[in-house]
Amino acid sequence: SQTIHQWPATLVQPVGSPLSLECTVEGTSNPNLYWYRQAAGRGLQLLFYSVGIGQISSEVPQNLSASRPQDRQFILSSKKLLLSDSGFYLCAWSKGISGQPQHFGDGTRLSIL
Amino acid sequence: GQQVMQIPQYQHVQEGEDFTTYCNSSTTLSNIQWYKQRPGGHPVFLIQLVKSGEVKKQKRLTFQFGEAKKNSSLHITATQTTDVGTYFCAGPHSDSSYKLIFGSGTRLLVRP
Repeated sequence: SQTIHQWPATLVQPVGSPLSLECTVEGTSNPNLYWYRQAAGRGLQLLFYSVGIGQISSEVPQNLSASRPQDRQFILSSKKLLLSDSGFYLCAWSKGISGQPQHFGDGTRLSIL
Repeated sequence: GQQVMQIPQYQHVQEGEDFTTYCNSSTTLSNIQWYKQRPGGHPVFLIQLVKSGEVKKQKRLTFQFGEAKKNSSLHITATQTTDVGTYFCAGPHSDSSYKLIFGSGTRLLVRP
């Protein structure tokens, strides 16, 4: 069966510090991968998605970036965090076919001080 | 642009009462998906509906896809405290079907 791993579960970072969140998927190949951000009590905001290695689509202009160095690895990064980057970051995968259900990792709660 | 609206935003019910959330899309959807997010947790995929007028059941949950494939509903019969959470509908995005457009969600609270 397929599993998705996302870490860390919580993270507290100072403003201006760098960020790297990693997500890996097991048990499937060529998945579509996604990064979402969710503010407290709010909906899901799609940040990036990838349909293949090295292919990244950015949805929202921001100081975040994403990379997919391997088929089942998706990384969310920032060179300098802003206070507004606080939130709940969720990684998800779906089968490499359009319109498929997405399966989410446990998420990372990021607090910027 | 494409929009997916959900109502109500919040619903507070007594345990044992029924609950319904409605999802309306500005465009026709090839499928509709429903997710549940427990407080403090991550969204979990519940079900996918594909056919016009389709109805599916999961125990006390009944999902419907409208005839025009632009609306959907989730009905919970005799709510329990375990039903607490936020329910999201989602459908393939008109810009790219590799991504989903999510509704804003309906938060369900259940009084024991």
